[in-house]
Amino acid sequence: GAVVSQHPSWVICKSGTSVKIECRSLDFQATTMFWYRQFPKQSLMLMATSNEGSKATYEQGVEKDKFLINHASLTLSTLTVTSAHPEDSSFYICSARDRRVSTDTQYFGPGTRLTVL
Amino acid sequence: AQSVTQLDSHVSVSEGTPVLLRCNYSSSYSPSLFWYVQHPNKGLQLLLKYTSAATLVKGINGFEAEFKKSETSFHLTKPSAHMSDAAEYFCVVTYYGGSQGNLIFGKGTKLSVKP
Repeated sequence: GAVVSQHPSWVICKSGTSVKIECRSLDFQATTMFWYRQFPKQSLMLMATSNEGSKATYEQGVEKDKFLINHASLTLSTLTVTSAHPEDSSFYICSARDRRVSTDTQYFGPGTRLTVL
Repeated sequence: AQSVTQLDSHVSVSEGTPVLLRCNYSSSYSPSLFWYVQHPNKGLQLLLKYTSAATLVKGINGFEAEFKKSETSFHLTKPSAHMSDAAEYFCVVTYYGGSQGNLIFGKGTKLSVKP
């Protein structure tokens, strides 16, 4: 149980285009999902917290107009990188917290590798 | 404030020998502590977690970790390394019942396993 999927697993796009990444909890409902960014050989940095039915909460320094987050249902959150540029190239990982379990455990997706040319 | 320090950026062991990955934490509250493993170009997999129950926590794949409050440590160990254990390991701290988005990651330790 507690499986989180991401789609796509990798994407290459031209500079100036927008890219949407989906995060799904496959066998549980998640009222809260999280989006992280990981640069090569570095740790994960929390970008934003996505709440079902409300606006996402962004960490300091993360542009909310650049990284649009929509948590449309209890099993789906999307991250859209708008007008992507090469510096947005990174590994994006989502995680979800199971609403049935009152712990801090987050279940992570496999990640999406974004390369902006 | 909460923080976590992984003392070694890279650990190299021979197959069949013990593994020790060190982690120290700082927390003003009763922490929850996790170890995650990340294989190349993959997401994170939960190895084990400590949430104020038994101080010796057993995880998957033969890993275990001991919570030592007096030393503020949560080191990860395995008696015998396997080639498939080669990966990046992250020690993570949070505080129980805290607000959302409060996972704090260490910088990671890359484990290499030599044949």
